[in-house]
Amino acid sequence: AQSVAQPEDQVNVAEGNPLTVKCTYSVSGNPYLFWYVQYPNRGLQFLLKYITGDNLVKGSYGFEAEFNKSQTSFHLKKPSALVSDSALYFCAVRDDSGTYKYIFGTGTRLKVLA
Amino acid sequence: DARVTQTPRHKVTEMGQEVTMRCQPILGHNTVFWYRQTMMQGLELLAYFRNRAPLDDSGMPKDRFSAEMPDATLATLKIQPSEPRDSAVYFCASGHPTRDTQYFGPGTRLTVL
Repeated sequence: AQSVAQPEDQVNVAEGNPLTVKCTYSVSGNPYLFWYVQYPNRGLQFLLKYITGDNLVKGSYGFEAEFNKSQTSFHLKKPSALVSDSALYFCAVRDDSGTYKYIFGTGTRLKVLA
Repeated sequence: DARVTQTPRHKVTEMGQEVTMRCQPILGHNTVFWYRQTMMQGLELLAYFRNRAPLDDSGMPKDRFSAEMPDATLATLKIQPSEPRDSAVYFCASGHPTRDTQYFGPGTRLTVL
């Protein structure tokens, strides 16, 4: 069965520093991986996805994610964090049974400190 | 800028009352998902529709929850009777399989007293 794990409940980083939010996955076939962000009192917003191709995926708001097949990881990164990046981040994997369901991680709260 | 809309945004009700939440997916999207978000359980998938047909509602308590799509522009999630443990934020999302991205509505915050 497919699954994703986000090992950190919260990540704190100083503004201007690089940030990493970790995600590992388990799938039986080819992985379809996603990152979403949730700001307070809002729905989830799509950031980026990996389907195939380059291992470094670029997304919205300057975020990128690195797909690593050998480590089964899909970490979210940004070179220079902004206070406005503070939010809840979800990693997700698409169910590969053809249903297009997502399996979401538990979420990581990112706090960027001024 | 096309968006998923959900009504109501907030709902406070008493235990035992019926609650109906509505979602208007983005025009042209043929998949609709209902999720529930709580602090304890995180984001849970309740039901999933494609072309208005329910494909998976295994995450939904069958005895009190029901989900329907009366037409392509409306999805509903109903709870009858509601219980305090149903208090959560309920999200609707729509998507199109070929684009592989889900678009979430703003959610309905339900409080059952």
